Amino acid sequence: AQKVTQAQTEISVVEKEDVTLDCVYETRDTTYYLFWYKQPPSGELVFLIRRNSFDEQNEISGRYSWNFQKSTSSFNFTITASQVVDSAVYFCALSEGSFLVAGNMLTFGGGTRLMVKP
Amino acid sequence: DAGVTQSPTHLIKTRGQQVTLRCSPKSGHDTVSWYQQALGQGPQFIFQYYEEEERQRGNFPDRFSGHQFPNYSSELNVNALLLGDSALYLCASSLGRNTEAFFGQGTRLTVV
Repeated sequence: AQKVTQAQTEISVVEKEDVTLDCVYETRDTTYYLFWYKQPPSGELVFLIRRNSFDEQNEISGRYSWNFQKSTSSFNFTITASQVVDSAVYFCALSEGSFLVAGNMLTFGGGTRLMVKP
Repeated sequence: DAGVTQSPTHLIKTRGQQVTLRCSPKSGHDTVSWYQQALGQGPQFIFQYYEEEERQRGNFPDRFSGHQFPNYSSELNVNALLLGDSALYLCASSLGRNTEAFFGQGTRLTVV
């Protein structure tokens, strides 16, 4: 069965600090997709990134970067020079199987609440 | 371009009652998924509708049922409400089953 673990329930940093959110996943499939979503207080989940299991290349998007390591089943998310607007709950999620077969049914981790203080 | 819209935003129901939540997908999207998010937890997949049929279902009892209409909008029905059904219910839409899901702001259901 698939499982996503986010061991850090809450992280507090001061603005401009770098912060890394950890995500560890379990799956028996060789084909799967990993996601990160941001949930601000308004409640909606905002899509940040999707990676498939065959693409271990790290990705950078502005102040955001992601480190995917299949050897340790981890997909960590780093925010560089954090800002107050980054304060939110962040979820890592997993979708097993080929996207063409499994569709986009997501298994979420428990989330990490990030608080960035000015 | 309107995103995913859900109604109502908040709802209070009494234990044993029935509730219907509504979701209008993002323009051009034809697939709707529903998730339940208990306080302090990650969302859990309830079911997904595509072409007006339930295509996938998570580990939820039959008290949870749904419907998709020809205009792709969807309803989530919960019968015989329990206190444990109190949660944020999120709707997500996508174009087909194989693309990124866009989420609405959810309906906060409180069962008393």
